[in-house]
Amino acid sequence: GAVVSQHPSWVICKSGTSVKIECRSLDFQATTMFWYRQFPKKSLMLMATSNEGSKATYEQGVEKDKFLINHASLTLSTLTVTSAHPEDSSFYICSARKQGLGYTFGSGTRLTVV
Amino acid sequence: GEDVEQSLFLSVREGDSSVINCTYTDSSSTYLYWYKQEPGAGLQLLTYIFSNMDMKQDQRLTVLLNKKDKHLSLRIADTQTGDSAIYFCAVPVGDTSNTGKLIFGQGTTLQVKP
Repeated sequence: GAVVSQHPSWVICKSGTSVKIECRSLDFQATTMFWYRQFPKKSLMLMATSNEGSKATYEQGVEKDKFLINHASLTLSTLTVTSAHPEDSSFYICSARKQGLGYTFGSGTRLTVV
Repeated sequence: GEDVEQSLFLSVREGDSSVINCTYTDSSSTYLYWYKQEPGAGLQLLTYIFSNMDMKQDQRLTVLLNKKDKHLSLRIADTQTGDSAIYFCAVPVGDTSNTGKLIFGQGTTLQVKP
């Protein structure tokens, strides 16, 4: 149990376009979902925490208008990278949790902006 | 805020034991986690320890927790080449009900030489 599906696993997009990444909890309802960003050979940096039906809480230094997070249901959260630029290229990982179940991570999305 | 520190690199020979260390600052953490990340992949939960425990053993893995010194370690016995990966310790921050956001250390790259 406690499986999180993240799509796409990789995406290449042109500068100036937007990209949407989906994170779904398949067999449980996630009270909270988290979005992380990981630079090559670096740690995971928490970008934002999202609760279903409410606005996401962004970490300091993360641009809200750049990284749009929508958490429309207890099983789905999306991260949209708007007007992507090469510096947005990174590995994005989502995590979902239900109280008492711990944290379950998606397999990550490799974003390359050209 | 929470600060989680790890050494960046560890090299061992196959069959030896590996010890990866981690220090943290937030003493209210209820669970502390160890994750494994292989190249290009997402995070795999290896093990976790509850904050009122000193030690937890799970097959080849032993977790030691020194709550007074806020020090966590992961010992891998009989290290194999398949154990080569990046290992992250992670600590929840925010509240004591195990629903807070997860903060990661920088990750320790474990290199296992045949």
